[in-house]
Amino acid sequence: GESVGLHLPTLSVQEGDNSIINCAYSNSASDYFIWYKQESGKGPQFIIDIRSNMDKRQGQRVTVLLNKTVKHLSLQIAATQPGDSAVYFCAENTGGFKTIFGAGTRLFVKA
Amino acid sequence: EAQVTQNPRYLITVTGKKLTVTCSQNMNHEYMSWYRQDPGLGLRQIYYSMNVEVTDKGDVPEGYKVSRKEKRNFPLILESPSPNQTSLYFCASSPGGGNQPQHFGDGTRLSIL
Repeated sequence: GESVGLHLPTLSVQEGDNSIINCAYSNSASDYFIWYKQESGKGPQFIIDIRSNMDKRQGQRVTVLLNKTVKHLSLQIAATQPGDSAVYFCAENTGGFKTIFGAGTRLFVKA
Repeated sequence: EAQVTQNPRYLITVTGKKLTVTCSQNMNHEYMSWYRQDPGLGLRQIYYSMNVEVTDKGDVPEGYKVSRKEKRNFPLILESPSPNQTSLYFCASSPGGGNQPQHFGDGTRLSIL
């Protein structure tokens, strides 16, 4: 597969544990935030999103938290599985136009 | 199957030789975008298009051109490629804008020698 993140921050967790991936965003005017998962050789895939009028949103095994005061976003994955191993990106968008991605975090899940 | 299709998937070429990377989506999406991905830098937006004949620059547009003559296609053109454009490129689309989840293609690896 493609090697896209040779020097990424890395999080290593034991299978079954919860994972928390953090992201600092740059623009206080951003009103839409999204998390993507990227597996080797593939394009990013949507996981979960949140708009600026919310501070928490839950999906299946995933939760996104938004703290606008400190411009911080986090992704929580419950009961992490080997299939969750990937690179995770946060992204922000302002007004529906430009999208800015974070540098990414590599998640390793140990069996 | 709903998808974003990029071609070619891999290309090795030389400096100055014009090339086009095609992108097509079958979901009738209005918004399309191009990104480049480099190690440690995440994805950086090159150009985006809100609809047919409406395009605008992202954060790294220098050396690239795009066109949106029809809704489904959004080609990326490198008129005179240079080695610093060696990268992994992704095309994406969404129904109504960058404030909705984007569907990504599988990427195009360009190497400019």
